[in-house]
Amino acid sequence: EVQLVESGGGLIQPDRSLRLSCAASGFTFDDYAMHWVRQAPGKGLEWVSSISWNSGSIGYADSVKGRFTISRDNAKNSLYLQMNSLRAEDTALYYCAKVNVIVPAATGAFDIWGQGTMVIVSS
Amino acid sequence: AIRMTQSPSSLSASTGDRVTITCRASQGFSSFLAWYQQKPGKAPKLLIYAASTLQSGVPSRFSGSGSGTDFTLTISCLQSEDFATYYCQQYYSYPWTFGQGTKVEIK
Repeated sequence: EVQLVESGGGLIQPDRSLRLSCAASGFTFDDYAMHWVRQAPGKGLEWVSSISWNSGSIGYADSVKGRFTISRDNAKNSLYLQMNSLRAEDTALYYCAKVNVIVPAATGAFDIWGQGTMVIVSS
Repeated sequence: AIRMTQSPSSLSASTGDRVTITCRASQGFSSFLAWYQQKPGKAPKLLIYAASTLQSGVPSRFSGSGSGTDFTLTISCLQSEDFATYYCQQYYSYPWTFGQGTKVEIK
């Protein structure tokens, strides 16, 4: 079964750091670009970051640029999001998502999503 | 950034109705457009990609159309399990952007 499982969320104080993880299974992880998408409570979806299959192409939303770092370890079938200088507005459910097209395609829709991990930034 | 605007933001419909949701992009692109369905407490589910291609396993009552700046999601015969929030998303250029969502409620 194709599956993504996020972990690492929790309650964290402003300006602190947190690292999210996403464990992939059921597919060849290094064949696909991966993304992080977040959803604040009661709000819509916001794309956060993406990383190509070989980490050669990385992108960030302006709202997190300079504070968040995406990475992946293909040997461990894992995706990560290092979040520094957290703010109250970063409070959200964070999803990892897999694209629906195999390399060398540059872009694709998100066909598999994890269940999300909640990050609450509050003092 | 490409801004995606959905309309309406919400709608009330009855089982069996035909429902149409529109997504307008602030700048044109070909067909790098997806539609997702999200139910409360659940992750989004891909319905349509490449503007009009039905994702495997998605019922054929869902269809997508459009190109350029105007895209449409149609549910031909609304079923009880279709009451949810729907999002469009462009994956043409960074940053990927979503519409604000359309909540489909029971009339």
